[in-house]
Amino acid sequence: DAGVTQSPTHLIKTRGQHVTLRCSPISGHKSVSWYQQVLGQGPQFIFQYYEKEERGRGNFPDRFSARQFPNYSSELNVNALLLGDSALYLCASSPTGTLPNQPQHFGDGTRLSIL
Amino acid sequence: KQEVTQIPAALSVPEGENLVLNCSFTDSAIYNLQWFRQDPGKGLTSLLLIQSSQREQTSGRLNASLDKSSGRSTLYIAASQPGDSATYLCAVPNNAGNMLTFGGGTRLMVKP
Repeated sequence: DAGVTQSPTHLIKTRGQHVTLRCSPISGHKSVSWYQQVLGQGPQFIFQYYEKEERGRGNFPDRFSARQFPNYSSELNVNALLLGDSALYLCASSPTGTLPNQPQHFGDGTRLSIL
Repeated sequence: KQEVTQIPAALSVPEGENLVLNCSFTDSAIYNLQWFRQDPGKGLTSLLLIQSSQREQTSGRLNASLDKSSGRSTLYIAASQPGDSATYLCAVPNNAGNMLTFGGGTRLMVKP
């Protein structure tokens, strides 16, 4: 079975542009979460979606938004890109919207570089 | 607010050594704790998940322990190999169960 898949793998943008990152969860998983990992640090939580509804939001500005589609895939959108948005963006899926006792499964991420 | 800390930030050992990675958390009311491995530029691979009711979890040469009362977990790697070189991260879920809080990771290098 396919794991969590993310696209694209790498992306280069300039300041002020907009970007859309995509994630397909493991088949049967209904929850998708997004994390930002700056080089040398642990991942930071951005959003969780379950059954197409936002269930959690981390401490990120409104330039960050996301949505989940009926097939449970998800998009992360970032507007007005800043140099500080350069990071590895990770998507994780789990069977339901509550994590306790359920491991999260991560994709390989999208490496976003802002010039 | 839950805070997770990992010490040391980096570790270099010769091949064959047994080693211990440490993870501490400030709020002991956790459901579980998960250890991940991350290779450079890659995503996270789940290694072990310890439920709050468990004290230990083992997978091959890896053994993870959990002491909720002291807010600590350790990942023990036996007979280390160069292929174990990676960053190891620990993470705990929040009470709502909708996010993980990660430590900063320990970057491990095992020299041949």
